[in-house]
Amino acid sequence: GENVEQHPSTLSVQEGDSAVIKCTYSDSASNYFPWYKQELGKRPQLIIDIRSNVGEKKDQRIAVTLNKTAKHFSLHITETQPEDSAVYFCAAPDSGYSTLTFGKGTMLLVSP
Amino acid sequence: GAVVSQHPSRVICKSGTSVKIECRSLDFQATTMFWYRQFPKKSLMLMATSNEGSKATYEQGVEKDKFLINHASLTLSTLTVTSAHPEDSSFYICSARDNAGGYTFGSGTRLTVV
Repeated sequence: GENVEQHPSTLSVQEGDSAVIKCTYSDSASNYFPWYKQELGKRPQLIIDIRSNVGEKKDQRIAVTLNKTAKHFSLHITETQPEDSAVYFCAAPDSGYSTLTFGKGTMLLVSP
Repeated sequence: GAVVSQHPSRVICKSGTSVKIECRSLDFQATTMFWYRQFPKKSLMLMATSNEGSKATYEQGVEKDKFLINHASLTLSTLTVTSAHPEDSSFYICSARDNAGGYTFGSGTRLTVV
């Protein structure tokens, strides 16, 4: 099955700085890579996703890059704000595009 | 967008009793739903894949007789934690593939077994 590794496990930045979270995956057939933000006690919310036919996707302060050759994808948050503080999860589907395997999560803390 | 409704959001039960959690897709049909478990400060761990009209597929290490899954319709899947014990206390969350090919999550159920 799919194996997803995520780093770092915790990330502390000052407000206004950029934050980068990286993930690697094992299944070369995977073609969909979502990122989720989860606040304490709440459901994961999809913040951005990318499919394997593009290398980068951007939505305002959030961007995701994908390197299929190296099998890694990254989340970039620019101009971070305290409300960006949460746990972020990357994920990749198993072969057949069925179940999602999640990374272990990154706790992002943005200090004012 | 796609919405998945999950109930109850929070439940406290006595050890030895069973608890049923419901997951409904409100505006789309979900032939497949997924059940996850999340311990504090940990990631989501897939427990089982729920298939409408057939038996669920359980991940290794998940007891199918302990965690009963029923997917009787295209919009409803249920997870029943049978003979619950304190170690079953966790955050349970369902997910469904939506029409756009993404994954939509329910709001989660915080189970506390006392």
